[in-house]
Amino acid sequence: QKEVEQDPGPLSVPEGAIVSLNCTYSNSAFQYFMWYRQYSRKGPELLMYTYSSGNKEDGRFTAQVDKSSKYISLFIRDSQPSDSATYLCAMKSFSQNAGGTSYGKLTFGQGTILTVHP
Amino acid sequence: NAGVTQTPKFQVLKTGQSMTLQCAQDMNHEYMSWYRQDPGMGLRLIHYSVGAGITDQGEVPNGYNVSRSTTEDFPLRLLSAAPSQTSVYFCASSSDREWTEAFFGQGTRLTVV
Repeated sequence: QKEVEQDPGPLSVPEGAIVSLNCTYSNSAFQYFMWYRQYSRKGPELLMYTYSSGNKEDGRFTAQVDKSSKYISLFIRDSQPSDSATYLCAMKSFSQNAGGTSYGKLTFGQGTILTVHP
Repeated sequence: NAGVTQTPKFQVLKTGQSMTLQCAQDMNHEYMSWYRQDPGMGLRLIHYSVGAGITDQGEVPNGYNVSRSTTEDFPLRLLSAAPSQTSVYFCASSSDREWTEAFFGQGTRLTVV
């Protein structure tokens, strides 16, 4: 079982729709939760991050975390064609290398391909 | 405002060939990583570095080597390319060990035939 599961879609919605993107996870050690957006042929870029259960809003985007259910969501209001991209959830935990040094480790979901058509 | 720069953008290799994927960042970040992205698999960590001279293995390190002689550069070497290494490779950097924000390069699309 993967530590992070994300529905790959693809998801196609009309302009103006509300979009819901979701991830579930199994590792209770995950502390920070992030959403990255990746345009075609580009590297991912950070959209939002949060570390506590509840909602965090940034413009048309809302990130929601439910640690008790191990479930995170990203909502996009009034979706635009420019929102068409792959959305990756990511979760941070700490690992130790062989020398005992602790380092942050990001675990990514598979990504959801979103298309917003005019 | 370069950020993280990867070269080349595209590469085709024959099985058994070796090559180096270059990664350079100009943000003075201590922390750097290499990921590979495959359909249905998300991004998987290959190797990472917490500073010049310090590297360690991620979850899929076999077939790859890294070194970090300077803060800016973090090259990834494929020792003997195999078709299973066909993928898109991303280099990332961060200013903090918690990877609060990862800055990614544009990727290298590698095909091994």
